[in-house]
Formats: sequence, C-alpha cells, structure tokens
Amino acid sequence: DIVMTQTPLSLSVTPGQPASISCRSGQSLLHSDGKTYLYWYLQKPGQSPQLLIFEASSRFSGVPARFSGSGSGTDFTLKISRVEAEDVGFYYCMQGLHLPYTFGQGTKLDIK
Amino acid sequence: QVQLQESGPGLVKPSQTLSLTCTVSGGSINSGNYYWSWIRQHPGTGLEWIGHIFHSGSTSYNPSLKSRLSMSVDTSKNQFSLRLSSVTAADTAVYYCARHGYFDLWGRGTLVTVSS
Repeated sequence: DIVMTQTPLSLSVTPGQPASISCRSGQSLLHSDGKTYLYWYLQKPGQSPQLLIFEASSRFSGVPARFSGSGSGTDFTLKISRVEAEDVGFYYCMQGLHLPYTFGQGTKLDIK
Repeated sequence: QVQLQESGPGLVKPSQTLSLTCTVSGGSINSGNYYWSWIRQHPGTGLEWIGHIFHSGSTSYNPSLKSRLSMSVDTSKNQFSLRLSSVTAADTAVYYCARHGYFDLWGRGTLVTVSS
C-alpha cells in the first residue's frame, strides 16, 4: 500500500494568518495521462469529509479561493491563505492512483 | 442534486455479517463514469478505503478486507451494497458511501458497532 505522510499532525492558527500542510506519498502520483491523483479533504466536526482540491491543484466547485494546492510527484502542499474560524477540522490528503487508495493520517487544525 | 444515504444495522454481533446499503437519490447510479465506494473511519482515527463498484458490477477491494468483502449494485433501485463477513470489534467504525470521480460526494455515514 502507498503510505501517505502528513505534517504537521496538528496546527493551531490565529484567524487571518496562513496555514500550510504537507503530504508526502511513498510513490509518484503522476499518471501517464498527465494527471496527478492527489486529493485534499476537510472533515469538519461531526461531518463527512468534503473535497477541497483534486488532481493536486484544482479547487473543487464552491471551495473558497483561500484554499490552494500545489506539488508534484510525491510532495504536495495545501495552503490556506487566511484561516477563518469555519476552517477548523481534520485535513486529509488521499492518493487515488494506486489501489488500494490510501489517506494520510490527518492534520487537526484549530483556532488560537 | 445527487445525495447518498447509508442504511443498515447499527449493531452486529461478532462473527456475523455486516450489511450496508447506499441509496443514490437525485441522479442515476448509471450516469457518468463514476465508481461507487465504501470508506470507513474507526473511532477517533483516520480514513480507510474499503472498495468500490461500477454500475456494471465491476469491483475493486482493499486487499486487507478482500477475503471477507462483497459488493453489489442494484441499478433498478439506484443502490449499491456492502457485505463484510466474520466481523470482529476491529470492524467497529463509521461507514461512508461515496461517489468516486474525485470522492466529491459522501453520505453522512453510519456507525456500525460490533459487539455481543
């Protein structure tokens, strides 16, 4: 199985400040079709995970512009330009290239 | 808009079979190039992909569960289902169904507890 390693595992951020989460994959997530199969999800308290970013850097419909994804190959980053109170929860990266699909351990973001 | 809803028993005895159904509403399970997935989350921990099924019935399973796992699809009812046999306490989790183009759509999840 492909191991997905997230850092940090927890993050405490002052509203209005930026935040960054890293995700490293055990193998390249670049497919021969040119797409990179890395996704980012946010699981708010008591809710199901919701898609933020697909194919490493494409923001999903309705996701605020303060969220951005970057990276290639095996190293990826999710950035929040200015954290808001509604951004609290667990953030997960997931690889969707190699079966079985696997998730990172999760990064807990809370507000200072 | 398309919605997913899990249903099934919340309590299963050890060694028995866990059975869950996901009902797709607001759209057809046949439409689009989607796989229909099951994902679980053990209490207080991260996410584990269980497997997926296409509307044709083609499946892929997580090897860690493959020997106990079966998935099926009923296009006439717009539903897909999960059966996990010989359950133990380690199978206690919230089970989610999700649509996989990008896992962009999830059900609300259902807690299944394995206990006698």
